[in-house]
Amino acid sequence: NAGVMQNPRHLVRRRGQEARLRCSPMKGHSHVYWYRQLPEEGLKFMVYLQKENIIDESGMPKERFSAEFPKEGPSILRIQQVVRGDSAAYFCASSPGQGSRGNIQYFGAGTRLSVL
Amino acid sequence: QKEVEQDPGPLSVPEGAIVSLNCTYSNSAFQYFMWYRQYSRKGPELLMYTYSSGNKEDGRFTAQVDKSSKYISLFIRDSQPSDSATYLCAILETSGSRLTFGEGTQLTVNP
Repeated sequence: NAGVMQNPRHLVRRRGQEARLRCSPMKGHSHVYWYRQLPEEGLKFMVYLQKENIIDESGMPKERFSAEFPKEGPSILRIQQVVRGDSAAYFCASSPGQGSRGNIQYFGAGTRLSVL
Repeated sequence: QKEVEQDPGPLSVPEGAIVSLNCTYSNSAFQYFMWYRQYSRKGPELLMYTYSSGNKEDGRFTAQVDKSSKYISLFIRDSQPSDSATYLCAILETSGSRLTFGEGTQLTVNP
């Protein structure tokens, strides 16, 4: 019973390149969340998605960042024209979306993005 | 004022000690109260969650919530070196689905 799967685990990009981070939720989970953990800081919410819908993107930077969760396949967090300040650990979480534990979130191992 | 404040630590204790980790929060709309454990360079692992005032016990771990004081705690009994990690409190709003995290407390249990 696989947990939340994120890939790649480590990603190195040069300034100006694009970064694509992928997340497959736990089996049976239909809700996906992305969080960012900057060095020496806590986890900050970015975006909450259900299949084919963005529910809450209030934590996402207005420019260069986008997220999707298509009908088929993993959720993608996309960062265009990366800058050094984007270097961080990006975590994906998923939840069932219904039932008594509907909003209880389980996290993946994260993708560590380094921008050179 | 941060929505969730967590004692920053770091905390260093001998093996077998009782550990107390604490957070306060400001938003009365918060509904669920979670504790996650994060080992170095790993993802947060859910330890416990509760939604009501009082105590909830799971093995060596006890989560305590006092909604009147907006205060949550995690107690670890008979602490082990394998408990050495960063502990994160996280709170979920009634109306939404985003988790608001504390800054984390780094715990080291010395053999």
